[in-house]
Amino acid sequence: RKEVEQDPGPFNVPEGATVAFNCTYSNSASQSFFWYRQDCRKEPKLLMSVYSSGNEDGRFTAQLNRASQYISLLIRDSKLSDSATYLCVVPRSNDYKLSFGAGTTVTVRA
Amino acid sequence: DVKVTQSSRYLVKRTGEKVFLECVQDMDHENMFWYRQDPGLGLRLIYFSYDVKMKEKGDIPEGYSVSREKKERFSLILESASTNQTSMYLCASSSSGTREEYFGPGTRLTVL
Repeated sequence: RKEVEQDPGPFNVPEGATVAFNCTYSNSASQSFFWYRQDCRKEPKLLMSVYSSGNEDGRFTAQLNRASQYISLLIRDSKLSDSATYLCVVPRSNDYKLSFGAGTTVTVRA
Repeated sequence: DVKVTQSSRYLVKRTGEKVFLECVQDMDHENMFWYRQDPGLGLRLIYFSYDVKMKEKGDIPEGYSVSREKKERFSLILESASTNQTSMYLCASSSSGTREEYFGPGTRLTVL
């Protein structure tokens, strides 16, 4: 089983819609999680950290389900500028390394 | 603002050439990383350094080496470039005690 798995999408949604997607992880000892955003031909940038059951930042909500070992990201009231690839990131145990999912692509259309 | 810079955005090299990719960060971060990113595979860790002159192999170190002589600078070396090393190379840095990584803009390397 891969350390981090994501539905690659693409998720094509109209402006204003809500879109949600999941990420599953294999290391049950993981305590913190991240969502990074990567625009086309750009570097990944941190979108949100998740340390407990979830986190909310404006239109973005991340939820953590430890029992089932998945993290979800929900985007409300989608904007054209939300079009990007969203990377699920899980720290590895006992060191500073991170495991990256392959990403979920979201395209918001006018 | 954390800034991570990489020496080139685009690079074209020939098979067998020695290739140097350089990364510089300006936030006094202890940890630095080199990844490659390929479609469908995500980011894969090549090498990691947690201090000057210290390095650890990542998941795919074969064919690569690294050098960290100064805290702010982390170099990736392809001793003899091969076509299967054509990829996007991303450098990142982080502070000890946090897991948040800051990325450079990437170098798209093509090996012919």
